[in-house]
Amino acid sequence: GAVVSQHPSWVICKSGTSVKIECRSLDFQATTMFWYRQFPKQSLMLMATSNEGSKATYEQGVEKDKFLINHASLTLSTLTVTSAHPEDSSFYICSAGDTETSGRPTRQYFGPGTRLTVT
Amino acid sequence: SQQGEEDPQALSIQEGENATMNCSYKTSINNLQWYRQNSGRGLVHLILIRSNEREKHSGRLRVTLDTSKKSSSLLITASRAADTASYFCATEDTGGFKTIFGAGTRLFVKA
Repeated sequence: GAVVSQHPSWVICKSGTSVKIECRSLDFQATTMFWYRQFPKQSLMLMATSNEGSKATYEQGVEKDKFLINHASLTLSTLTVTSAHPEDSSFYICSAGDTETSGRPTRQYFGPGTRLTVT
Repeated sequence: SQQGEEDPQALSIQEGENATMNCSYKTSINNLQWYRQNSGRGLVHLILIRSNEREKHSGRLRVTLDTSKKSSSLLITASRAADTASYFCATEDTGGFKTIFGAGTRLFVKA
């Protein structure tokens, strides 16, 4: 089945620094990837849609200048948390959608998540 | 944004009992999926049911979908302590891939 990886799996950084998280689709190409954030004991909240070759689409309330998304290729999207603060500490999960040969979208495949702790 | 509500928010049962979780959503969908998440871990995909399907089974799991009521249920039969986890429904809207999650149900199965 389709596999999505994330790197790193966990990261600790100091307040004010920037952190980059990578999301890769390992055995399929994804023109669209999604980034989610999950706080403890809460559900996943969609942050943005990452579009290959174009700008990301952000959900309401998500600061695009703080959460920079780059979808550089059909297998890689990156999320950079800029000037991180303790309140940005969270579990960040990406997903990528596969398509059938007909072009019909199949379901989303989720990465294992990245735990960010900002001290 | 979240699609809708799940109930109950938390459920505690004895091993061997059945667990039923419900999910409601707001928009038209292509499909609805159920996921499990153990504390602090990634998502495990359980089952996908398409908008033109009404019921689906996978092992001890049974999922129903009522598009007229915009609701779904997940039944876990003969529960085990290892089923203890959070369960989320997620809907893919008709506009494309966008997948939105419900609030989740935290299931605790006592041995």
